[in-house]
Order: sequence, then C-alpha cells, then structure tokens
Amino acid sequence: QQQVKQSPQSLIVQKGGISIINCAYENTAFDYFPWYQQFPGKGPALLIAIRPDVSEKKEGRFTISFNKSAKQFSLHIMDSQPGDSATYFCAASMNRGSTLGRLYFGRGTQLTVWP
Amino acid sequence: SQTIHQWPATLVQPVGSPLSLECTVEGTSNPNLYWYRQAAGRGLQLLFYSVGIGQISSEVPQNLSASRPQDRQFILSSKKLLLSDSGFYLCAWIDRAAPTNEKLFFGSGTQLSVL
Repeated sequence: QQQVKQSPQSLIVQKGGISIINCAYENTAFDYFPWYQQFPGKGPALLIAIRPDVSEKKEGRFTISFNKSAKQFSLHIMDSQPGDSATYFCAASMNRGSTLGRLYFGRGTQLTVWP
Repeated sequence: SQTIHQWPATLVQPVGSPLSLECTVEGTSNPNLYWYRQAAGRGLQLLFYSVGIGQISSEVPQNLSASRPQDRQFILSSKKLLLSDSGFYLCAWIDRAAPTNEKLFFGSGTQLSVL
C-alpha cells in the first residue's frame, strides 16, 4: 500500500504566490522526511528535509511544516517563480542502519508557476 | 566532489531482449547504492540496494536483477524484458561516512521503453 500519500497531483500558481504541497504518512517509525524536486528528464534532487524533532524548517523560499501528531508534513514555496515549475516528491524513511536510503515516496505533484 | 554517472540516458528495447544498465559513483568509497524505478504518474519505488561489493538486497519480486562487481559500480540487468519493465530507472547513492548520511543522491536516470 502507499506508505506516503501526496496531494495535490497538480498545482498551478501565479508568479509570486505561495505553493503548498501536502503529504501524510502512517508508519510512526519514520524519522526522516525529505522533499525532492525533479525537472523533466532528470533525476530528483534533494530540496529540503526534516526530522520529527522540529515542527518547521526553512531554507530560503522553501519551508517544511511538520505535524507529528497528525502524521502530516507539507512543503511551502514562498514567492513562487517560473523556475520552480517541476515535479515535487515527498518521501519518508526510517533512515538508519539497514533502512538507510530506503525511501517511501509520494506520487508527486506537478507544479506550474505562471509568469 | 562526488558525482554519479548513469547510462544510457534513453533505451528502446523489444520484449524478450536482455537489459544492462550501469551506474558508477566517483569521489567516494564504500557508498550504499540503490536502483529506483519511476513509472509514469507514480512515485519512485526502490528495486535493489547494496551496502557493499557482491551484497544485493531486493525490495520487490520482479523480472530484474542487480549486481555490484566493484565498490562504486552498480548494474541492473534482465534476461528477458517485459512490457511492464518500461519506466524511468534511477541509480542513487548515500555516503555512509558523511555527517549527514541520510542524504540520498540520484543520477540522471535511464528512460527505458520496452516495445
């Protein structure tokens, strides 16, 4: 079954607006939650990640909000730009020992930012 | 700096033909290596991972196999391709020795079309 559920499937935002992508998970053993950005024909690139000991992490225009009790986390892109147009994937893992690198991915959100 | 090379970028193969995709990592030693597959409209799914030479773990039963003949080389193979093997195949690695060793880095991928 899908261990990480992601929504929306697609998102259209005006330049300068806020893009919000949501993810939910079931396995409470997950302790690492990265977001990846993927451009067409390319491999995903790590964008930002969070551990459940904090509720928010910000890097530039990108912010992860984490709600441990609700088992949800979201990506916020402030001042969205046309160059942000890409597919975004959330993921989760129990990132230690034998489970290192074994990520469970959401199905992706295709973001389009109109100029 | 570390880099990952994956080839070929695109591949069109007939059903029943063999497959060999290669991935090499430069600038690191003893990495964890991974093969992920991305089917159209779906998230990434882990196929195989390796923690060392000759050590392969399979995540899902399938028509594919993997091998790690050298420390920084990871190969994905099939003896007879199926239509369902079509997809975007991504090699990835983790530097276990790094302080932030949970970071998973992807190659540029191989788009495989089985006809």
